[in-house]
Amino acid sequence: DVKVTQSSRYLVKRTGEKVFLECVQDMDHENMFWYRQDPGLGLRLIYFSYDVKMKEKGDIPEGYSVSREKKERFSLILESASTNQTSMYLCASSRGLHNQPQHFGDGTRLSIL
Amino acid sequence: GQNIDQPTEMTATEGAIVQINCTYQTSGFNGLFWYQQHAGEAPTFLSYNVLDGLEEKGRFSSFLSRSKGYSYLLLKELQMKDSASYLCAVRGGFQKLVFGTGTRLLVSP
Repeated sequence: DVKVTQSSRYLVKRTGEKVFLECVQDMDHENMFWYRQDPGLGLRLIYFSYDVKMKEKGDIPEGYSVSREKKERFSLILESASTNQTSMYLCASSRGLHNQPQHFGDGTRLSIL
Repeated sequence: GQNIDQPTEMTATEGAIVQINCTYQTSGFNGLFWYQQHAGEAPTFLSYNVLDGLEEKGRFSSFLSRSKGYSYLLLKELQMKDSASYLCAVRGGFQKLVFGTGTRLLVSP
């Protein structure tokens, strides 16, 4: 079974802090993704990566950056956390073929106070 | 633009059949996925359609009509554990998925 592991289940930070969310997958997947999930808005793509050191902006990249130094690890960085970044953050990974599903981690519920 | 529409909520009775519809308008189409998400848990993959027609997988089936921009997920012999949100997602360009806001299904005894 594919395992996507997110470093924290719950996280509380203060406005202005730099926040790191970590994600690791164990299936040698090429693609990795970061989403946020908010009530009534569904899953929205923040950034994705299709290879080591490669990154592409998703639909809502403002206020975020990412890092992929190793194939199995994809980090999401909130440069200066703000209260509107309080959300559920989900990491996913997939193989590089069109018909391959994305596999999700359990999510990190991040609260910015 | 990209738009995916699903009903917000549906209710059904244990043992019944329920159909969850999804309509989409996206720039490009490389397949449609259905995911199940229980409250507080990760979405899990249910089905994938890229050609028109019905894909059956046990109690769950998924249908696609590309010309109509329409899909549905059919759940048979409903069980209490099927109470969850069901997410429709379209792969447009490259590897990106665009998700609908999800349909919350409540199964009652």
